[in-house]
Amino acid sequence: AQKITQTQPGMFVQEKEAVTLDCTYDTSDPSYGLFWYKQPSSGEMIFLIYQGSYDQQNATEGRYSLNFQKARKSANLVISASQLGDSAMYFCAMRVGETSGSRLTFGEGTQLTVNP
Amino acid sequence: DVKVTQSSRYLVKRTGEKVFLECVQDMDHENMFWYRQDPGLGLRLIYFSYDVKMKEKGDIPEGYSVSREKKERFSLILESASTNQTSMYLCASSETGVAKNIQYFGAGTRLSVL
Repeated sequence: AQKITQTQPGMFVQEKEAVTLDCTYDTSDPSYGLFWYKQPSSGEMIFLIYQGSYDQQNATEGRYSLNFQKARKSANLVISASQLGDSAMYFCAMRVGETSGSRLTFGEGTQLTVNP
Repeated sequence: DVKVTQSSRYLVKRTGEKVFLECVQDMDHENMFWYRQDPGLGLRLIYFSYDVKMKEKGDIPEGYSVSREKKERFSLILESASTNQTSMYLCASSETGVAKNIQYFGAGTRLSVL
């Protein structure tokens, strides 16, 4: 069975500082994809970044980067230069297998608060 | 841009009512999903569909059914609403045949069953 674990229910960071949100995963399938989504208080889930299990380099998208450590089965999200608008719930998710349309398994989420 | 539209942001229903949650996507995506979100539990998959008239059970299908008569529309049906179905419901869609297979979400429907 696939499982995603986010051990930080809440995190606080000062504006302009970097923050790391933890995510560990469990799967025996060699082919998988890892996703991070942001959910502001408005409710909509916004895709942030993706890492494939065979990708050689860590994914980056602007201020977001994914610290992918395959041996440790971790896929932590790093947000650099935090902004007040980064305050939101963040979800890590995993897709297992290569079948397009495969379902995602989500973690419990981390509530990030950016303080001015 | 991909747009996934859920028909209602907020709904209040009575126990025992039949409830329809509608979701429409405008990107010709083959795949559509219904999740419910509860605090501390993340998102849990209720049902998904890979094609018109096809449906597959997710992790928590009990008490729900779905309908996909047209490619762009995926409906979630609560046959007889109960208070434990009070939750946030999120619809998503994705296309087939791409490596990332990103799911795009609607804004969600907050359902209260009284």
